[in-house]
Amino acid sequence: DAGVTQSPTHLIKTRGQQVTLRCSPISGHKSVSWYQQVLGQGPQFIFQYYEKEERGRGNFPDRFSARQFPNYSSELNVNALLLGDSALYLCASSNADSHIEAFFGQGTRLTVV
Amino acid sequence: GNSVTQMEGPVTLSEEAFLTINCTYTATGYPSLFWYVQYPGEGLQLLLKATKADDKGSNKGFEATYRKETTSFHLEKGSVQVSDSAVYFCALSYMNRDDKIIFGKGTRLHILP
Repeated sequence: DAGVTQSPTHLIKTRGQQVTLRCSPISGHKSVSWYQQVLGQGPQFIFQYYEKEERGRGNFPDRFSARQFPNYSSELNVNALLLGDSALYLCASSNADSHIEAFFGQGTRLTVV
Repeated sequence: GNSVTQMEGPVTLSEEAFLTINCTYTATGYPSLFWYVQYPGEGLQLLLKATKADDKGSNKGFEATYRKETTSFHLEKGSVQVSDSAVYFCALSYMNRDDKIIFGKGTRLHILP
């Protein structure tokens, strides 16, 4: 079975631009969460979606938004990029019915120049 | 608020040495506790977990015991290998409330042959 897949793996954007990151959860998983991992730090929670509805939001500005589609895949959008948005963005999926563990993708490395 | 504190790295050991990475947490109620590992250039992998007090999680020779009296979840391994070189994250979550995971800052481990 395929694990959590994220695309793209790397990208470079300019300050002020907008970016969309994509995530496909493990088949059967209905919950998707997004995390930001700045170099040298632990991942920070951004959003959680379950059954297409937002269930949780971390302490991030409104420039960050996300959505979940009927097939449970998800997109994370970041507008008006800042240099400080440079990070590894991780997507995690879980079987919310069992609440056992979250499975992480390889991440998207975003560099803002 | 809820938080996780783990020992700062890097930790450098020789192969076959004993490993301890300290982790303490601050939380209300009874969170689940986790250790995740991140190999270079990769996403996070769950290493082990414990869901209630006195539970011992174990995997690949690593162990950690959920100690509520000391709010700790220290990671141990009796004999480390070069392949254990990675960054280790201690984390907590209330997996029956939402899927938000709170991570420590990570501890980089270097194993010398």
